[in-house]
Amino acid sequence: DIQMTQSPSTVSASVGDRVTITCRASQSISTWLAWYQQKPGKAPQLLIYRASTLESGVPSRFSGSGYGTEFTLTISSLQPDDSASYYCQQYHSYSYTFGLGTKLEIK
Amino acid sequence: QVQLVQSGSELKKPGASVKVSCKASGYTFTTYAMDWVRQAPGQGLEWMGWINTNTGDPTYAQGFTGRFVFSLDTSASTAYLQISSLKAEDTAIYYCARGRGGSTVHYTDNWGQGTLVTVSS
Repeated sequence: DIQMTQSPSTVSASVGDRVTITCRASQSISTWLAWYQQKPGKAPQLLIYRASTLESGVPSRFSGSGYGTEFTLTISSLQPDDSASYYCQQYHSYSYTFGLGTKLEIK
Repeated sequence: QVQLVQSGSELKKPGASVKVSCKASGYTFTTYAMDWVRQAPGQGLEWMGWINTNTGDPTYAQGFTGRFVFSLDTSASTAYLQISSLKAEDTAIYYCARGRGGSTVHYTDNWGQGTLVTVSS
Protein backbone atom coordinates (compact mmCIF):
# COMPACT_ATOMS: atom_id res chain seq x y z
CA ASP A 1 0.00 0.00 0.00
CA ILE A 2 1.04 3.58 -0.59
CA GLN A 3 1.87 5.37 2.66
CA MET A 4 0.95 9.03 3.12
CA THR A 5 3.05 11.10 5.53
CA GLN A 6 1.55 14.37 6.66
CA SER A 7 3.36 17.16 8.46
CA PRO A 8 3.15 18.82 10.81
CA SER A 9 0.83 16.77 13.02
CA THR A 10 -0.21 19.95 14.82
CA VAL A 11 0.11 23.59 13.85
CA SER A 12 -0.88 26.70 15.74
CA ALA A 13 -1.25 29.97 13.87
CA SER A 14 -2.91 33.36 14.15
CA VAL A 15 -5.79 34.78 12.16
CA GLY A 16 -4.43 36.19 8.92
CA ASP A 17 -1.38 33.90 8.83
CA ARG A 18 -0.43 31.79 5.85
CA VAL A 19 -0.46 28.11 6.76
CA THR A 20 1.03 25.23 4.77
CA ILE A 21 0.47 21.53 5.37
CA THR A 22 2.57 18.94 3.55
CA CYS A 23 1.72 15.45 2.43
CA ARG A 24 4.31 13.02 1.05
CA ALA A 25 3.48 9.78 -0.75
CA SER A 26 5.70 6.71 -0.52
CA GLN A 27 5.58 6.41 -4.32
CA SER A 28 4.37 8.55 -7.17
CA ILE A 29 0.64 9.17 -7.29
CA SER A 30 0.63 11.71 -10.14
CA THR A 31 -2.03 14.20 -9.01
CA TRP A 32 -4.45 11.67 -7.54
CA LEU A 33 -4.68 13.44 -4.20
CA ALA A 34 -7.52 14.99 -2.24
CA TRP A 35 -7.62 17.15 0.88
CA TYR A 36 -10.37 17.06 3.49
CA GLN A 37 -11.29 19.24 6.43
CA GLN A 38 -12.89 17.74 9.53
CA LYS A 39 -14.30 19.71 12.43
CA PRO A 40 -14.94 18.05 15.80
CA GLY A 41 -18.04 15.89 15.79
CA LYS A 42 -18.59 16.35 12.07
CA ALA A 43 -17.98 14.34 8.93
CA PRO A 44 -15.02 15.29 6.74
CA GLN A 45 -15.62 17.73 3.89
CA LEU A 46 -13.82 17.73 0.55
CA LEU A 47 -11.65 20.79 -0.03
CA ILE A 48 -9.46 19.93 -3.00
CA TYR A 49 -9.20 17.08 -5.49
CA ARG A 50 -6.77 16.21 -8.24
CA ALA A 51 -4.14 17.88 -6.05
CA SER A 52 -5.09 21.43 -6.95
CA THR A 53 -8.75 21.67 -8.00
CA LEU A 54 -10.87 23.54 -5.50
CA GLU A 55 -14.19 21.90 -4.73
CA SER A 56 -17.22 24.06 -5.45
CA GLY A 57 -18.17 26.24 -2.50
CA VAL A 58 -14.77 26.05 -0.80
CA PRO A 59 -13.27 29.48 -0.01
CA SER A 60 -10.53 30.60 -2.37
CA ARG A 61 -8.06 31.05 0.50
CA PHE A 62 -7.56 27.27 0.26
CA SER A 63 -5.24 26.02 -2.45
CA GLY A 64 -3.39 22.83 -3.25
CA SER A 65 -0.32 22.01 -5.27
CA GLY A 66 2.07 19.21 -6.02
CA TYR A 67 2.77 16.25 -8.25
CA GLY A 68 4.25 12.83 -7.83
CA THR A 69 5.15 12.43 -4.16
CA GLU A 70 5.07 15.93 -2.66
CA PHE A 71 1.90 17.92 -2.07
CA THR A 72 0.88 20.97 -0.11
CA LEU A 73 -2.34 22.46 1.18
CA THR A 74 -2.10 26.19 1.76
CA ILE A 75 -4.46 28.51 3.58
CA SER A 76 -3.51 31.99 2.42
CA SER A 77 -5.09 33.99 5.23
CA LEU A 78 -6.20 31.95 8.21
CA GLN A 79 -9.72 32.52 9.49
CA PRO A 80 -11.21 31.44 12.84
CA ASP A 81 -13.51 28.98 11.04
CA ASP A 82 -10.45 27.10 9.71
CA SER A 83 -9.77 25.52 13.10
CA ALA A 84 -10.06 21.82 12.22
CA SER A 85 -8.16 18.68 11.32
CA TYR A 86 -6.96 18.27 7.76
CA TYR A 87 -6.33 15.00 5.94
CA CYS A 88 -4.79 14.15 2.62
CA GLN A 89 -5.86 11.02 0.74
CA GLN A 90 -4.31 9.36 -2.27
CA TYR A 91 -6.63 7.66 -4.71
CA HIS A 92 -4.05 6.43 -7.17
CA SER A 93 -3.60 2.83 -6.21
CA TYR A 94 -6.00 -0.06 -5.74
CA SER A 95 -6.09 0.75 -2.03
CA TYR A 96 -6.65 4.38 -1.16
CA THR A 97 -4.97 5.72 1.98
CA PHE A 98 -5.25 8.76 4.22
CA GLY A 99 -2.51 10.68 5.92
CA LEU A 100 -2.58 10.70 9.71
CA GLY A 101 -3.93 14.24 9.77
CA THR A 102 -2.90 17.72 10.84
CA LYS A 103 -4.67 19.51 13.65
CA LEU A 104 -4.83 23.25 13.02
CA GLU A 105 -5.33 25.47 16.04
CA ILE A 106 -5.96 29.19 16.07
CA LYS A 107 -3.80 31.17 18.51
CA GLN B 1 -29.19 18.20 -2.96
CA VAL B 2 -27.01 15.17 -2.36
CA GLN B 3 -27.61 13.54 1.01
CA LEU B 4 -26.28 10.41 2.63
CA VAL B 5 -28.21 9.49 5.77
CA GLN B 6 -26.80 6.75 7.95
CA SER B 7 -28.48 4.58 10.53
CA GLY B 8 -28.22 5.37 14.22
CA SER B 9 -25.68 4.46 16.87
CA GLU B 10 -25.26 0.83 17.84
CA LEU B 11 -24.12 -0.83 21.07
CA LYS B 12 -23.07 -4.42 20.55
CA LYS B 13 -21.43 -7.16 22.56
CA PRO B 14 -18.18 -8.76 21.43
CA GLY B 15 -18.85 -11.53 18.94
CA ALA B 16 -22.09 -10.02 17.69
CA SER B 17 -22.75 -8.55 14.23
CA VAL B 18 -23.89 -5.13 13.12
CA LYS B 19 -25.25 -3.74 9.86
CA VAL B 20 -24.93 -0.04 9.13
CA SER B 21 -27.06 1.51 6.41
CA CYS B 22 -26.41 4.54 4.23
CA LYS B 23 -29.38 5.88 2.28
CA ALA B 24 -28.55 8.15 -0.64
CA SER B 25 -30.76 10.79 -2.17
CA GLY B 26 -30.46 13.69 -4.57
CA TYR B 27 -28.58 11.82 -7.30
CA THR B 28 -28.64 8.62 -9.33
CA PHE B 29 -27.32 6.04 -6.89
CA THR B 30 -25.72 3.70 -9.39
CA THR B 31 -23.60 6.34 -11.12
CA TYR B 32 -21.30 7.00 -8.18
CA ALA B 33 -19.15 4.70 -6.07
CA MET B 34 -19.66 4.33 -2.34
CA ASP B 35 -16.72 4.30 0.03
CA TRP B 36 -16.59 3.31 3.67
CA VAL B 37 -14.25 5.00 6.16
CA ARG B 38 -13.58 4.21 9.81
CA GLN B 39 -12.54 6.63 12.52
CA ALA B 40 -11.63 5.19 15.92
CA PRO B 41 -12.16 7.46 18.93
CA GLY B 42 -9.71 10.36 18.82
CA GLN B 43 -7.95 8.91 15.78
CA GLY B 44 -7.61 9.68 12.10
CA LEU B 45 -9.49 8.46 9.06
CA GLU B 46 -8.99 4.92 7.79
CA TRP B 47 -10.17 3.92 4.32
CA MET B 48 -12.00 0.59 4.46
CA GLY B 49 -12.77 0.16 0.79
CA TRP B 50 -15.52 0.82 -1.68
CA ILE B 51 -18.33 -0.77 -3.61
CA ASN B 52 -19.14 -0.27 -7.26
CA THR B 53 -22.83 0.63 -7.08
CA ASN B 54 -23.34 -0.29 -10.73
CA THR B 55 -21.91 -3.82 -10.58
CA GLY B 56 -22.02 -4.52 -6.84
CA ASP B 57 -18.31 -5.42 -6.84
CA PRO B 58 -16.63 -4.58 -3.52
CA THR B 59 -12.98 -3.71 -2.92
CA TYR B 60 -11.65 -4.11 0.60
CA ALA B 61 -8.57 -2.44 2.04
CA GLN B 62 -5.99 -4.50 3.86
CA GLY B 63 -7.24 -5.13 7.35
CA PHE B 64 -10.87 -5.11 6.29
CA THR B 65 -11.20 -8.50 4.69
CA GLY B 66 -13.14 -11.40 6.13
CA ARG B 67 -15.36 -9.80 8.78
CA PHE B 68 -16.42 -6.78 6.75
CA VAL B 69 -18.97 -6.92 3.95
CA PHE B 70 -20.24 -4.14 1.69
CA SER B 71 -23.60 -4.63 0.02
CA LEU B 72 -26.31 -2.71 -1.78
CA ASP B 73 -30.03 -2.40 -2.23
CA THR B 74 -30.10 -0.36 -5.42
CA SER B 75 -33.92 -0.27 -5.44
CA ALA B 76 -33.70 1.63 -2.15
CA SER B 77 -30.57 3.63 -3.05
CA THR B 78 -28.95 2.22 0.06
CA ALA B 79 -25.51 0.87 0.83
CA TYR B 80 -24.73 -1.37 3.75
CA LEU B 81 -21.71 -2.21 5.85
CA GLN B 82 -21.92 -5.42 7.85
CA ILE B 83 -19.33 -6.31 10.45
CA SER B 84 -19.36 -9.76 12.02
CA SER B 85 -17.56 -11.20 15.07
CA LEU B 86 -17.26 -7.74 16.55
CA LYS B 87 -14.26 -6.90 18.70
CA ALA B 88 -13.66 -4.03 21.11
CA GLU B 89 -11.23 -2.51 18.61
CA ASP B 90 -14.07 -2.17 16.08
CA THR B 91 -15.46 0.62 18.26
CA ALA B 92 -15.46 3.60 15.92
CA ILE B 93 -17.50 5.96 13.81
CA TYR B 94 -18.19 4.49 10.39
CA TYR B 95 -18.80 6.83 7.49
CA CYS B 96 -20.16 6.19 4.04
CA ALA B 97 -18.99 8.62 1.37
CA ARG B 98 -19.95 9.08 -2.27
CA GLY B 99 -17.16 8.46 -4.72
CA ARG B 100 -16.87 10.85 -7.64
CA GLY B 101 -14.65 10.22 -10.63
CA GLY B 102 -14.50 7.03 -12.61
CA SER B 103 -14.68 3.31 -12.03
CA THR B 104 -10.94 3.05 -11.46
CA VAL B 105 -10.12 6.22 -9.53
CA HIS B 106 -12.39 8.39 -7.47
CA TYR B 107 -12.39 10.74 -4.53
CA THR B 108 -15.22 11.27 -2.05
CA ASP B 109 -17.30 14.41 -2.34
CA ASN B 110 -20.23 13.86 0.02
CA TRP B 111 -20.22 12.06 3.35
CA GLY B 112 -22.84 10.59 5.62
CA GLN B 113 -23.13 11.89 9.16
CA GLY B 114 -21.39 8.83 10.56
CA THR B 115 -22.60 5.90 12.65
CA LEU B 116 -21.03 5.21 16.03
CA VAL B 117 -20.60 1.51 16.70
CA THR B 118 -19.61 0.68 20.26
CA VAL B 119 -18.49 -2.83 21.12
CA SER B 120 -18.56 -3.54 24.83
CA SER B 121 -19.53 -6.36 27.13
